[in-house]
Amino acid sequence: AQSVTQLGSHVSVSEGALVLLRCNYSSSVPPYLFWYVQYPNQGLQLLLKYTTGATLVKGINGFEAEFKKSETSFHLTKPSAHMSDAAEYFCAVSKAGGTSYGKLTFGQGTILTVHP
Amino acid sequence: DARVTQTPRHKVTEMGQEVTMRCQPILGHNTVFWYRQTMMQGLELLAYFRNRAPLDDSGMPKDRFSAEMPDATLATLKIQPSEPRDSAVYFCASGSKEDYRQETQYFGPGTRLLVL
Repeated sequence: AQSVTQLGSHVSVSEGALVLLRCNYSSSVPPYLFWYVQYPNQGLQLLLKYTTGATLVKGINGFEAEFKKSETSFHLTKPSAHMSDAAEYFCAVSKAGGTSYGKLTFGQGTILTVHP
Repeated sequence: DARVTQTPRHKVTEMGQEVTMRCQPILGHNTVFWYRQTMMQGLELLAYFRNRAPLDDSGMPKDRFSAEMPDATLATLKIQPSEPRDSAVYFCASGSKEDYRQETQYFGPGTRLLVL
């Protein structure tokens, strides 16, 4: 079985500060990992994903994430927070096989608040 | 700009009534997901179709919920009879990728359901 744990249900930063959202996964096979963002009253949209190859993945809006197999982590970072980054962020892992091939397991989400 | 559309966007109904939610996936996408989001449970996968065939509906209460894809352009989620605990935001997402493990899911704006 695969699972995802997001450490911290709420993270608060000042505008211009570093954003770090933590995600740890559990998977018996090499994982495919995703970060999605949900703005208020909207559906989720993909920020970035790791499949194979380079372990540092760049996404939209200046976000990036690094896959660290030894730490089973896929933390999301952004060097400088902007007010528009305030949203809920979800880490997810894709199911490796079986009939539900490709099914995503989502973490519980982290709400990011950005203070002026 | 291709998008997943969902109707209705908001629904208020009384306990015991039938509720039907509709989703139009992005043209050409062959995978459709139904999710439910609540504060308590987070994001839950209810059902999952590929090429209109149901692959996984293990997350769906079978006694009152049903999901179908009458054709490639329409997915439906029905609740009969509805109960107050069904109050939630219901999202539809679609995707299309040869390797389904790395498929990006495109979410609709959701149907916000309130059962009184």
